[in-house]
Amino acid sequence: DAKTTQPPSMDCAEGRAANLPCNHSTISGNEYVYWYRQIHSQGPQYIIHGLKNNETNEMASLIITEDRKSSTLILPHATLRDTAVYYCIALSGGYQKVTFGTGTKLQVIP
Amino acid sequence: DSGVTQTPKHLITATGQRVTLRCSPRSGDLSVYWYQQSLDQGLQFLIQYYNGEERAKGNILERFSAQQFPDLHSELNLSSLELGDSALYFCASSVKDRGYGYTFGSGTRLTVV
Repeated sequence: DAKTTQPPSMDCAEGRAANLPCNHSTISGNEYVYWYRQIHSQGPQYIIHGLKNNETNEMASLIITEDRKSSTLILPHATLRDTAVYYCIALSGGYQKVTFGTGTKLQVIP
Repeated sequence: DSGVTQTPKHLITATGQRVTLRCSPRSGDLSVYWYQQSLDQGLQFLIQYYNGEERAKGNILERFSAQQFPDLHSELNLSSLELGDSALYFCASSVKDRGYGYTFGSGTRLTVV
């Protein structure tokens, strides 16, 4: 399973776009990039995932580089409710031993 | 409601005791994963079951064990509890149709005193 690396913390002004980077240089061809977030001690919440192409849903956009070695999660208009820890992981089918790292703690500032 | 149900939500017990955490996966999901999250830490993978069989194992202590039953619910058994076992325990389930992504339950907060 590919290891991912994320900055430990980021700040973002309310209403601005939050761009959260993730490095996954060892990702294999069949591994998807997944993003989750955890608010306080709640269960992690799915945000978005992608394989090669950029993806967008009602919550966020995911930009994956052409070589697939890194990606960026974009929250287009951050609100205070987006303050959370964001995790980037690589997942494929089958039997996995994926451990979520410590993620990026995003603080949205009023 | 994510569709993954974990009980109990909170558990306080003494050192040396044994507890059982329960997880019911989302309808149709065959895989169940257990994770441990200690204070201010990431989620550590413990074990995965698929359709009743153990499929992947992480750094799960020998004092911990799990199983998945024919109705697909899973139980995580923690014995000879120590203070350091105090943590949040999350269960997640997945299915191929969702690209193998996980759906997490709301967790069980275990406090060992």
